[in-house]
Amino acid sequence: AQTVTQSQPEMSVQEAETVTLSCTYDTSESDYYLFWYKQPPSRQMILVIRQEAYKQQNATENRFSVNFQKAAKSFSLKISDSQLGDAAMYFCAYRRSSGANSKLTFGKGITLSVRP
Amino acid sequence: DTGVSQNPRHKITKRGQNVTFRCDPISEHNRLYWYRQTLGQGPEFLTYFQNEAQLEKSRLLSDRFSAERPKGSFSTLEIQRTEQGDSAMYLCASHSGGNYNEQFFGPGTRLTVL
Repeated sequence: AQTVTQSQPEMSVQEAETVTLSCTYDTSESDYYLFWYKQPPSRQMILVIRQEAYKQQNATENRFSVNFQKAAKSFSLKISDSQLGDAAMYFCAYRRSSGANSKLTFGKGITLSVRP
Repeated sequence: DTGVSQNPRHKITKRGQNVTFRCDPISEHNRLYWYRQTLGQGPEFLTYFQNEAQLEKSRLLSDRFSAERPKGSFSTLEIQRTEQGDSAMYLCASHSGGNYNEQFFGPGTRLTVL
């Protein structure tokens, strides 16, 4: 079974600074997808960024980028130029690449606060 | 609004009562998922539909839980004889198929069992 671990329950960053959120996972699969989702307080979960395991190039989406280390099974999220609106819970998630069921396996999440 | 909607948003019930939640997915999405999120935890998979067929159920889904998706449109999740341990946020997500594609989440139904 796949597992996703987010060991930091909380982090804080100064507005305009950079912060990195850590995630490790365990799987016996060679091909899979990894995701970071953002869940603002009392709002629905939205996708921040995704990475295909077979791609060596790290994904980037504007201020968000990942550091994907397949051998180490590590998938961290870097947020540059942090904004007040980035304050939320962030979840790392795993999905198999094969099979009809595209269910996500989530970590416990990390609460990010942004200091003005 | 073309997103995933869930009703009700909040439900308070007494232990032993039955409750039913509804999820309306994005209309062209044929896959629908239910997850449960307890305080301080990430969402955990409960069950999955492809069109009207329920193709997988988690071991978390005890026999007090039942889910349906008639005609492959909206879905309902019913919990019978609720217990305090059922208190959680119940999330619905829909997906158009293709494992790379994004799952879109609804706002969730927060259940409190007294």
